[in-house]
Amino acid sequence: EAGVAQSPRYKIIEKRQSVAFWCNPISGHATLYWYQQILGQGPKLLIQFQNNGVVDDSQLPKDRFSAERLKGVDSTLKIQPAKLEDSAVYLCASSHVTGGQETQYFGPGTRLLVL
Amino acid sequence: GQSLEQPSEVTAVEGAIVQINCTYQTSGFYGLSWYQQHDGGAPTFLSYNALDGLEETGRFSSFLSRSDSYGYLLLQELQMKDSASYFCAVRDQGGGKLIFGQGTELSVKP
Repeated sequence: EAGVAQSPRYKIIEKRQSVAFWCNPISGHATLYWYQQILGQGPKLLIQFQNNGVVDDSQLPKDRFSAERLKGVDSTLKIQPAKLEDSAVYLCASSHVTGGQETQYFGPGTRLLVL
Repeated sequence: GQSLEQPSEVTAVEGAIVQINCTYQTSGFYGLSWYQQHDGGAPTFLSYNALDGLEETGRFSSFLSRSDSYGYLLLQELQMKDSASYFCAVRDQGGGKLIFGQGTELSVKP
């Protein structure tokens, strides 16, 4: 079974530029998550999709971050304009439920450096 | 709000046993999960406890005490490849988002 795919793996941009990340979840997984992981910290949820609908975006900085999941499969996360503090790893995860227990599977992440 | 506390780092030797503790404060509780993350890698799921007690999966075990808002991950017969960061995480509501701790960096020495 193929895992969660993300691209690009690395990105370096200057502050105030725009950047977009792409995620392809595991086939059949209805739920997709975007997390931000700052160095030395645990992942922090930015947005959760169920199919193509948003379940939770309470921690998404909506003035600069946006995400979509058209057709309920692939998803993109965009930052416009980027700030220095956006330097982090952006992780995508998808999940399935078995026996009442949800398990999340993470992609390799995109490492973003904002200069 | 939600908060989780775990030690920032732990060091142990190959073949030893190590316990990584996690205490949590949540408005609701829907289970405690543990994830492993190697440097530069993706978090991978290790275990999940919804009820009190010990869950064992090979060399790894996880324990939960809901009355104490406490859990731990136990790693036995440590191997060098176990050097990684370990995160505990709680779900804030049924089907809701995972809240991760800051992570414990485990270093296994020869």
